[in-house]
Amino acid sequence: ETGVTQTPRHLVMGMTNKKSLKCEQHLGHNAMYWYKQSAKKPLELMFVYNFKEQTENNSVPSRFSPECPNSSHLFLHLHTLQPEDSALYLCASSQVITGGNIQYFGAGTRLSVL
Amino acid sequence: SQQGEEDPQALSIQEGENATMNCSYKTSINNLQWYRQNSGRGLVHLILIRSNEREKHSGRLRVTLDTSKKSSSLLITASRAADTASYFCATATGNQFYFGTGTSLTVIP
Repeated sequence: ETGVTQTPRHLVMGMTNKKSLKCEQHLGHNAMYWYKQSAKKPLELMFVYNFKEQTENNSVPSRFSPECPNSSHLFLHLHTLQPEDSALYLCASSQVITGGNIQYFGAGTRLSVL
Repeated sequence: SQQGEEDPQALSIQEGENATMNCSYKTSINNLQWYRQNSGRGLVHLILIRSNEREKHSGRLRVTLDTSKKSSSLLITASRAADTASYFCATATGNQFYFGTGTSLTVIP
């Protein structure tokens, strides 16, 4: 148990559906992240939130919409996804400090877009 | 791209042997971290080495960093079947994290 909980663990959705991924951290961290992990590709950083403010958006398509209502919760809202969006979506949190920023990951949501 | 590149992509060894994985990166960094991922799970942090450090140990893990060559290595000594996993290096610059594609390690009992 890493202290970062993601739900659901598995999700199958059609291209016209709207769904949300949820992440909750119990570590008192001040930063949260969404990553996408596809087969044979490096882990891709999608969004970064520091103190609930989005600080990074790495050219992610608008069909992915993050929301961070407080420092413990992070959502990823999904709509009109494409089959190539099928992947493992990982949430992480960290306590941002000078010289170090260790990420604590959740177990991920395995997303399949049909 | 600033992403780290791990080498080799896959490694298979007998239990008890040592496993060495290498990571190369492209830009200046604050620190470099190694993570482990069991199949279909999240990543778990193993060790962090700062840009002004050259070597670090943690249990059976030994990490080196050569900033002049922009490379790092992870050595796992006396491997166990439970070490079977994928291993990733990650470089950190500000708020940005860059992970490589990982090394898939299989330890045969």
